[in-house]
Amino acid sequence: QSVLTQPPSASGTPGQRVSISCSGGRSNIGRNTVTWYQQVPGTAPKLLLYNNNQRPSGVPDRISGSKSGTSASLAISGLQSEDEGIYYCSSWDDSLSGPVFGGGTELTVL
Amino acid sequence: QPQLQESGSGLVEPSQTLSLNCSVSDGSISTYTYSWSWIRQPPGRALEWIGHVHSSGSAYYNPSLKTRVTISMDKANHQFSLRLTSVTAADTAMYYCARVSCSSSSCYRIGSFDPWGQGALVAVSS
Repeated sequence: QSVLTQPPSASGTPGQRVSISCSGGRSNIGRNTVTWYQQVPGTAPKLLLYNNNQRPSGVPDRISGSKSGTSASLAISGLQSEDEGIYYCSSWDDSLSGPVFGGGTELTVL
Repeated sequence: QPQLQESGSGLVEPSQTLSLNCSVSDGSISTYTYSWSWIRQPPGRALEWIGHVHSSGSAYYNPSLKTRVTISMDKANHQFSLRLTSVTAADTAMYYCARVSCSSSSCYRIGSFDPWGQGALVAVSS
């Protein structure tokens, strides 16, 4: 069981907007920033967002993030087939003294 | 960005020691603003942070693995390594190495993992 809770799956049609939630607690998301990764099956995870909503170079601005209290959210607008994959949230956990991850959300583009 | 590449044994017998190396393509392994980490992913399951090592020599570990893990660095050869002792089937996983940003001066606290190596699949079986 993961420290951060994500829905196991999400889906949308091309062009739609989808959101993926990540729920934690006071020791992690409540006090620290959230990072998001995308993993295409068979490949290594790729950094998608850091510091809640900052995009690394090369990540399109149709991908955004937000945080409120002990929860965070990833939003993808203008959904494309290349967005398919598993999305993981992560945050530093003060109790663990290390980073923790969500269980992952598998995004399907219908 | 540097490229990272894992290498090591893909099959380890129960109770033995798992050893992996991660080669970093440039000299950035000595940079103080980053640390170097191992993360694993059991089949069909989520990611788990194992630990990280900083160029200062300090290493930090997941408490659940701390008694069995050692992460060390070889700056001269631009690589860092993972040793996990007394392995069981529960240690079967894809093991990734990654660069991680420091969120504190000692790099005790870390931020985001980027980039990652392609991963090394390790099976624990007799």
